[in-house]
Amino acid sequence: GAVVSQHPSWVICKSGTSVKIECRSLDFQATTMFWYRQFPKQSLMLMATSNEGSKATYEQGVEKDKFLINHASLTLSTLTVTSAHPEDSSFYICSARSGLAGDKETQYFGPGTRLLVL
Amino acid sequence: LAKTTQPISMDSYEGQEVNITCSHNNIATNDYITWYQQFPSQGPRFIIQGYKTKVTNEVASLFIPADRKSSTLSLPRVSLSDTAVYYCLVAPDNYGQNFVFGPGTRLSVLP
Repeated sequence: GAVVSQHPSWVICKSGTSVKIECRSLDFQATTMFWYRQFPKQSLMLMATSNEGSKATYEQGVEKDKFLINHASLTLSTLTVTSAHPEDSSFYICSARSGLAGDKETQYFGPGTRLLVL
Repeated sequence: LAKTTQPISMDSYEGQEVNITCSHNNIATNDYITWYQQFPSQGPRFIIQGYKTKVTNEVASLFIPADRKSSTLSLPRVSLSDTAVYYCLVAPDNYGQNFVFGPGTRLSVLP
């Protein structure tokens, strides 16, 4: 149980284009999903927290107009990197928490999406 | 905002027990302690979680002293496949406040 998937697993795009990454909780309903970015040999950096049906809360320094997050259902959240540039190249990871009693403290992570902007 | 401190790296040999300690001096009453394992180019994998005292599952044990200002992840008889980065995360049960992943501990298991 508690499986989170991401799609695509990797993507290469040209500078200036937009890229959408999907995060799905496969066997539970996720009240909250988180989006992280991770650069090589660094820790995870929280970008934003999204709750189903409401606007995402972005961390300081993260441009909400550049990283659009939509949490339209209890099993799907999307991150769209708009007008991507080479400096946006990174490993993007989502996580979800079920909100169920006894398990709501735990985040379950997706496998990550490698983005390379040329 | 609970900040964590861990050793940057550790080396061990196959078959040994490995203990990784995380310091979290300003842990709050409603914070839980969770440990994750991450392999290169993969998302973190949940290992174990606790609030106080000792927790054990099929892969690890977590020791938390009474003051909760630190925690120790214990991996029994490590193998080469346990080579990974281990993160200690301290966060409230509702994740309503800010939480930060520390730098993690890079464990290298040698033959």
